[in-house]
Amino acid sequence: DIVMTQSPESLAVSLGERATINCKSSQSVLCSPNNKNCLAWYQQKSGQPPKLLIYWASTRESGVPDRFSGSGSGTDFTLTISGVQAEDVAIYYCQQYYGTPGFTFGPGTKVVIK
Amino acid sequence: QVHLVESGGGVVQPGGSLRLSCAASGFSFSRHGMHWVRQAPGKGLEWLSFIWYDGTNHYYADSVKGRFTISRDNFKNTLFLQMNSLRPEDTAVYYCARKVYSDSDASRGHFDFWGQGTLVTVSS
Repeated sequence: DIVMTQSPESLAVSLGERATINCKSSQSVLCSPNNKNCLAWYQQKSGQPPKLLIYWASTRESGVPDRFSGSGSGTDFTLTISGVQAEDVAIYYCQQYYGTPGFTFGPGTKVVIK
Repeated sequence: QVHLVESGGGVVQPGGSLRLSCAASGFSFSRHGMHWVRQAPGKGLEWLSFIWYDGTNHYYADSVKGRFTISRDNFKNTLFLQMNSLRPEDTAVYYCARKVYSDSDASRGHFDFWGQGTLVTVSS
């Protein structure tokens, strides 16, 4: 199974500052034949289910603010929040959907306001 | 709009069984693969099981293989998870999630909608 790791575990950011979350997969998640990375990012606020933010590593889901962006390829990925808002306090998970049947999640990164 | 509503959670003794349901509405249920994901208290997300849009293929995490069974009723727009031989470590909120539609890949795809979850507690 593909193992997903994330860093840091927790991140304290001032309002308006940039937050950067890293995600690494134990093997490449580059899918064929579309040659896109099978990597998604989800946001989970306290007491709520996860919400899709980013898919194909860098495509923003409809309705997601453009301060959220995803990048990376192969095994190394990044979620960036440019200008953190109070409502962005949450746990962020990366997930690979390359390795059917294992759709593994990273352990999560908690974002708090400094 | 898309709605996924889980039900069937509760308190069960170790070794017991429970059947979860996920009622879907607002979309063509029979066109989408569906997942079960759980989250133990204070822990991260754990993918459990996936079933193809037509029910012909299903997959399981090693942690539940042989104990849990996923199924679906496309006429009733409902997803199920039969859970047997439950253990205390199965205590979690159980979510159903929709796989994004794809006409070229029945398995791979992100999870574009999630239900609110149902709590399962395994305790004597």
